[in-house]
Amino acid sequence: EAEVAQSPRYKITEKSQAVAFWCDPISGHATLYWYRQILGQGPELLVQFQDESVVDDSQLPKDRFSAERLKGVDSTLKIQPAELGDSAMYLCASSFGTSGGSVISETQYFGPGTRLLVL
Amino acid sequence: AQKITQTQPGMFVQEKEAVTLDCTYDTSDPSYGLFWYKQPSSGEMIFLIYQGSYDQQNATEGRYSLNFQKARKSANLVISASQLGDSAMYFCAMSDQTGANNLFFGTGTRLTVIP
Repeated sequence: EAEVAQSPRYKITEKSQAVAFWCDPISGHATLYWYRQILGQGPELLVQFQDESVVDDSQLPKDRFSAERLKGVDSTLKIQPAELGDSAMYLCASSFGTSGGSVISETQYFGPGTRLLVL
Repeated sequence: AQKITQTQPGMFVQEKEAVTLDCTYDTSDPSYGLFWYKQPSSGEMIFLIYQGSYDQQNATEGRYSLNFQKARKSANLVISASQLGDSAMYFCAMSDQTGANNLFFGTGTRLTVIP
């Protein structure tokens, strides 16, 4: 069964260091999402790609976060410098498209996530 | 703006019994999608069930069914014949079909199945 791949699964870093997370979506999925989930809360969208283009990055803290999906397939999310408040689960998801109205196009499938701890 | 409310921080259910997890939503958009995801302690979000705002019938997927009451803006998840493996966090989410299809999540309900 096709899955969204993410690495690393766990990352411990010190504040002010740089960290990077990688995501490989389900083959054929044009849309890729990065979410941040703080302990005890639901995930919140950071950035959304349609192929290689950013569709929505309004919630991405652009002074320290960056995301890219250069060839429209896999994606990297970077934090530089990391802060204590960045400790969270970072989830990647993918879907066929963004046009609504059907379970096939809309449903987002999530990877296992990366648990980040900033010390 | 879209908003999802899950008022039950935690729920307990006896094995083999049915349980209902509550979800209410708020949106001014006529077209939207409603989702339920399961998040075990391992962390990944597992898609369970989807309901479109224009769907006439309640969605069902195996032991999962979605009790969709559009006028009340509620989308409760019903799990029948609970199993020990159902113990997890459950999140209700809504997509904005008129926009970029972002998902807005509630705060989740932790379900514990008792043997």
